[in-house]
Amino acid sequence: QKEVEQNSGPLSVPEGAIASLNCTYSDRGSQSFFWYRQYSGKSPELIMFIYSNGDKEDGRFTAQLNKASQYVSLLIRDSQPSDSATYLCVSPTNTGNQFYFGTGTSLTVIP
Amino acid sequence: DTAVSQTPKYLVTQMGNDKSIKCEQNLGHDTMYWYKQDSKKFLKIMFSYNNKELIINETVPNRFSPKSPDKAHLNLHINSLELGDSAVYFCASSQGAGAGNTIYFGEGSWLTVV
Repeated sequence: QKEVEQNSGPLSVPEGAIASLNCTYSDRGSQSFFWYRQYSGKSPELIMFIYSNGDKEDGRFTAQLNKASQYVSLLIRDSQPSDSATYLCVSPTNTGNQFYFGTGTSLTVIP
Repeated sequence: DTAVSQTPKYLVTQMGNDKSIKCEQNLGHDTMYWYKQDSKKFLKIMFSYNNKELIINETVPNRFSPKSPDKAHLNLHINSLELGDSAVYFCASSQGAGAGNTIYFGEGSWLTVV
């Protein structure tokens, strides 16, 4: 089992809808999680991070963390075509040596 | 000012050649990484250096040799290039890798071996 798992998609939503991206992790000791967005042909860029159980909102983005279920999600409200990208769920390892990356979920927002 | 910069951005070369990719970060971070992203888009760690010391060396052919002359630079040299080495190579840096640290990526180097 990979340390961080994501549904690779592709996920398609109509413009204006809510896109829901999900991630599960196997290491119960994981304390922080990041969501990165990667446009085709570009490098990953940080969108949000979350450390505590519950929701964290930033504009149209909401990250949700449930440590009991070992589940992290990213909600994108009012999805725009410019949100079409691959979204990566990332968590640092407990040893502090590196980061676990999910395989990414490809999102397409249809105008 | 680019935080993590790597050169070249595009590289097309023949099998058997030797090539290098350079990376520099101006964020003052202690840890630098090389990742390989293949056609399936999975980001796979290759190497990690902390303050010039190698701390992660994943299962990578020894044709790949990283070098860190100082903590702001991490270069990747590849000997005897093979077709399967074609991928995007990302350099990245972070202050550390524990909770609270964020990883920043360079723009990537697109390597094509023909």
